[in-house]
Amino acid sequence: NAGVTQTPKFQVLKTGQSMTLQCAQDMNHNSMYWYRQDPGMGLRLIYYSASEGTTDKGEVPNGYNVSRLNKREFSLRLESAAPSQTSVYFCASSVQINTGELFFGEGSRLTVL
Amino acid sequence: ELKVEQNPLFLSMQEGKNYTIYCNYSTTSDRLYWYRQDPGKSLESLFVLLSNGAVKQEGRLMASLDTKARLSTLHITAAVHDLSATYFCAVDIIGGGADGLTFGKGTHLIIQP
Repeated sequence: NAGVTQTPKFQVLKTGQSMTLQCAQDMNHNSMYWYRQDPGMGLRLIYYSASEGTTDKGEVPNGYNVSRLNKREFSLRLESAAPSQTSVYFCASSVQINTGELFFGEGSRLTVL
Repeated sequence: ELKVEQNPLFLSMQEGKNYTIYCNYSTTSDRLYWYRQDPGKSLESLFVLLSNGAVKQEGRLMASLDTKARLSTLHITAAVHDLSATYFCAVDIIGGGADGLTFGKGTHLIIQP
């Protein structure tokens, strides 16, 4: 049972480059989320998708875009990476929005030089 | 804006001792979650507290929720080294522009032999 799978696990980018983080869940969950984790800051919500076909901004959406490709997949795109986007990114899913615990992927460590 | 505050943010303690981590939040909610994160790893769900007065226990950890005080506690009994980790509390509220979980900054717990 894979749960939530993220790729890549590690990535180094130069300032201005673009990249997409991929996330897939096999638990038939309706809601999916992208968080970033920075030292001393806890986890902050970037974007979420309450259900297939919908996406909404979280606390820190600037510099990011998302796509809910289907019920299983939710991708996060950095169009023009900046050093401030160096972070660990976590994808998560839940049965429904606001109805219970989140299940997290293993994380993607991104460094922007 | 929902704020979630944990204290302490850092705790070093000896094996065999008892201690409590506190989680305060700023907006009415009756759903609170505790997660554990080991270094370099993902977040693992520990407890889901869904009503005032809820108490959950797993081994040496016990979590409780007082929605009137907007306070949750995570109590550690007779700590052992394996409990060393970072512990996060998270709160969700329905609507109010805070969909998805809002996390505290985490409590970094070190248990020394």
